[in-house]
Amino acid sequence: TQLLEQSPQFLSIQEGENLTVYCNSSSVFSSLQWYRQEPGEGPVLLVTVVTGGEVKKLKRLTFQFGDARKDSSLHITAAQPGDTGLYLCAGEARSGGSNYKLTFGKGTLLTVNP
Amino acid sequence: DTGVSQNPRHKITKRGQNVTFRCDPISEHNRLYWYRQTLGQGPEFLTYFQNEAQLEKSRLLSDRFSAERPKGSFSTLEIQRTEQGDSAMYLCASSFGTAQETQYFGPGTRLLVL
Repeated sequence: TQLLEQSPQFLSIQEGENLTVYCNSSSVFSSLQWYRQEPGEGPVLLVTVVTGGEVKKLKRLTFQFGDARKDSSLHITAAQPGDTGLYLCAGEARSGGSNYKLTFGKGTLLTVNP
Repeated sequence: DTGVSQNPRHKITKRGQNVTFRCDPISEHNRLYWYRQTLGQGPEFLTYFQNEAQLEKSRLLSDRFSAERPKGSFSTLEIQRTEQGDSAMYLCASSFGTAQETQYFGPGTRLLVL
């Protein structure tokens, strides 16, 4: 069973601060996805990382996939109140060539205070 | 809007009743997934279809749960004899089915069993 540990579980910061969210596992993933979810809504995809060591930037968000494809981080620069939400990492581990399900972490609930 | 849609968005039912949820995936996507999310947790995989074939079912999916995708397009998830523990957000996702597996989620159906 693949497990994804996210930390921190809760994060409350002031507007303009930087933050990093971590996603760790003992399993290797063929890809890892980051989602943002608002209350009562489904997760919205932010990015997919596939290659070990890969870094992707999305405006003020920087995503990194670990060299061994077991961990990932999300860094937000100069956080804004609009960044508030639940950030979920999800790994895809293929076994037997037909398993495409995602394993999710519990999420990091981010609150950015104005 | 050509994203994943789910109906109904909310469902309140009494214990012992049957409920059915519908998911319409993105039209060209051949893979469809169902997940369940409870408060404070990330989504958990329930089952997945490639076209009309149900290829995997989680152990979370008891005998009271059944899912279908009769024509390889929309899918239904039925829960028979609902229990209070079935209360959760039921999420549907779809993907195109390429080497880089990216799943796009619908808004979810929130079920409350009284």
